[in-house]
Amino acid sequence: NAGVTQTPKFRILKIGQSMTLQCTQDMNHNYMYWYRQDPGMGLKLIYYSVGAGITDKGEVPNGYNVSRSTTEDFPLRLELAAPSQTSVYFCASSPGPGQPSESNQPQHFGDGTRLSIL
Amino acid sequence: AQSVTQLGSHVSVSEGALVLLRCNYSSSVPPYLFWYVQYPNQGLQLLLKYTSAATLVKGINGFEAEFKKSETSFHLTKPSAHMSDAAEYFCAVSDASGTYKYIFGTGTRLKVLA
Repeated sequence: NAGVTQTPKFRILKIGQSMTLQCTQDMNHNYMYWYRQDPGMGLKLIYYSVGAGITDKGEVPNGYNVSRSTTEDFPLRLELAAPSQTSVYFCASSPGPGQPSESNQPQHFGDGTRLSIL
Repeated sequence: AQSVTQLGSHVSVSEGALVLLRCNYSSSVPPYLFWYVQYPNQGLQLLLKYTSAATLVKGINGFEAEFKKSETSFHLTKPSAHMSDAAEYFCAVSDASGTYKYIFGTGTRLKVLA
């Protein structure tokens, strides 16, 4: 059981380039999330999804886009990379409604993607 | 709005000493609280969670946390630190709106001295 898988693990981009960070989960979770982690700032929510075809903005969505065409996949797209987007990105998932103890089941995290924009 | 405050961005303890990492929350409704640990270059791993079934919650690796409503706190403790406990620790509160979004604290980096 792989859990949440993120690719790539590392990437260097030039300013203005675009890329997609991949995230897939094999736990049949309804809810998925993208966070960015910056030193001393904790994790900030970028986007989240409560099911296939449904996405919504989090705390820091500017400069990013997401899609959720399947339950398993939740890619994060950077269209015009900027130095401020240098960060570590984490994808997470949780079961969502209809599951036992739905309100307190924890999120499961991937190992992250380290992105540098130069 | 919910929020989480972790006091102390860096904490150092000697091996074998008590570990105490502080977390205070604000929430207008009963919260769902979590502690996660992050080892270098890894993702976040769940240590323990508060489910409202018991105020003292036991987690993995000998950690536990006590929910104190009167103090709006959920501090993480371990009686005896081990070198392998060196990591960054995050407290999180779950959004009560139904989307289960987390609000994370800014993290506490634990250093264990030999």
